[in-house]
Amino acid sequence: AQTVTQSQPEMSVQEAETVTLSCTYDTSESDYYLFWYKQPPSRQMILVIRQEAYKQQNATENRFSVNFQKAAKSFSLKISDSQLGDAAMYFCAPPSGNTPLVFGKGTRLSVIA
Amino acid sequence: KAGVTQTPRYLIKTRGQQVTLSCSPISGHRSVSWYQQTPGQGLQFLFEYFSETQRNKGNFPGRFSGRQFSNSRSEMNVSTLELGDSALYLCASSPGDRNNEQFFGPGTRLTVL
Repeated sequence: AQTVTQSQPEMSVQEAETVTLSCTYDTSESDYYLFWYKQPPSRQMILVIRQEAYKQQNATENRFSVNFQKAAKSFSLKISDSQLGDAAMYFCAPPSGNTPLVFGKGTRLSVIA
Repeated sequence: KAGVTQTPRYLIKTRGQQVTLSCSPISGHRSVSWYQQTPGQGLQFLFEYFSETQRNKGNFPGRFSGRQFSNSRSEMNVSTLELGDSALYLCASSPGDRNNEQFFGPGTRLTVL
């Protein structure tokens, strides 16, 4: 079974600054997708970004990008030019062979004006 | 397309009762997954249904059950409620491919007294 570790329970960032959220995982699969989801206070889970494990290039979605290191099984999320609306819980989720998604414990991100 | 809808949004039950939660996936999506979210355990996978069949199951007791109808709508049932079942129950749908993004509903907040 896959395990996912998000080592930063809480983080804060100044508005307009950059922050990186870390995620490591364990898997025996060779071809898979990894996801970062955001859960704002409304509790609605929203996909932030997706990375295909077989792709060398790191995924980018506007201000959000990942640093994917397959050999190290590391999948960090970088948020540039942080905005107040980025404040939320962020969950790393690589899919496992048994379940659609296995989530980390999450990182609570605060954005300071 | 309309998003994933869940009903009811809030529920209050007492110990020993049973409850049924409903989830309507995005049109065309054949996979529906259920997750339980609590402050202590985080997000945990309950089960997944695909084309009316349970495709995957998490590590929850038999009091938790579900089903999927021919229109892909899904219901989750919890019998003999316990205080520890108080949680946010999230439903997610996807077309069905394991690597597809999951689209989440707003959740049902269940409180067991």
